[in-house]
Amino acid sequence: DAMVIQNPRYQVTQFGKPVTLSCSQTLNHNVMYWYQQKSSQAPKLLFHYYDKDFNNEADTPDNFQSRRPNTSFCFLDIRSPGLGDAAMYLCATSREGEGFRYTFGSGTRLTVV
Amino acid sequence: QQPVQSPQAVILREGEDAVINCSSSKALYSVHWYRQKHGEAPVFLMILLKGGEQKGHEKISASFNEKKQQSSLYLTASQLSYSGTYFCGTELDSGGGADGLTFGKGTHLIIQP
Repeated sequence: DAMVIQNPRYQVTQFGKPVTLSCSQTLNHNVMYWYQQKSSQAPKLLFHYYDKDFNNEADTPDNFQSRRPNTSFCFLDIRSPGLGDAAMYLCATSREGEGFRYTFGSGTRLTVV
Repeated sequence: QQPVQSPQAVILREGEDAVINCSSSKALYSVHWYRQKHGEAPVFLMILLKGGEQKGHEKISASFNEKKQQSSLYLTASQLSYSGTYFCGTELDSGGGADGLTFGKGTHLIIQP
C-alpha cells in the first residue's frame, strides 16, 4: 500500500546532540511537510517542500533544518536539541490533484535527555 | 491566523450527535478536518474548498460557509470509535492551496457507552 513512513518511531537524543528524523513516501506526492506537535497541542508547521522549493515558516527556529534529496525522501535535522524540542514530529504529504489533502506518517516521538 | 475551534471538549453517549465548529478571521481557500487518537497520527476525514461545500461520509459530514468563513463538522449517531481529538486545518485564500495548514487547538470528543 502507498503510504508515508517515518523512522524511527521513537528517538531519544542527548541535549545538544544532533539528530535526524526521516520521512519517505510512496504516494508520489510533490509536497512534503514537517509539523511539530507538543503534548495536548495542535500540530505546528515547521516548513514544507513544494517540489524542490523549500518554504520555511517565519517562526521556525534556526536549529531546525530540512533536506529533500528526491521526491520520496525528506529529512528533519535538529542541530542542537533542547529540552523544549521534545515533541511528536509529523511528516505529511499532499498533491494538487487531491485538493492538497494530507496523508500523515505515524510520527516520530522525540525525547531529549 | 490560527482558526478558532469550539467547543474545546464534548462528552456524549453512544448514539448522540455532535457539532464541532471552526472559524477564521481571514478568507480561506480550504478547510480540512482530521481526527487524532492519543499517540497516533491525525487521520484525514474530509476537505472543503472555498465556494461553499458540504460533504458527507457515512455518519460524518461537514459544511463550509464562505460568507462567515466558518466550517462545521457533524457527527451523527456517534460510535465509540469516534472518540479522539478533532482538528480543523485551514489554508488561507492567499496561499493557493499548498502553503501548509494551520490547525486549530482541537476539540476533544469522548463517547461513552
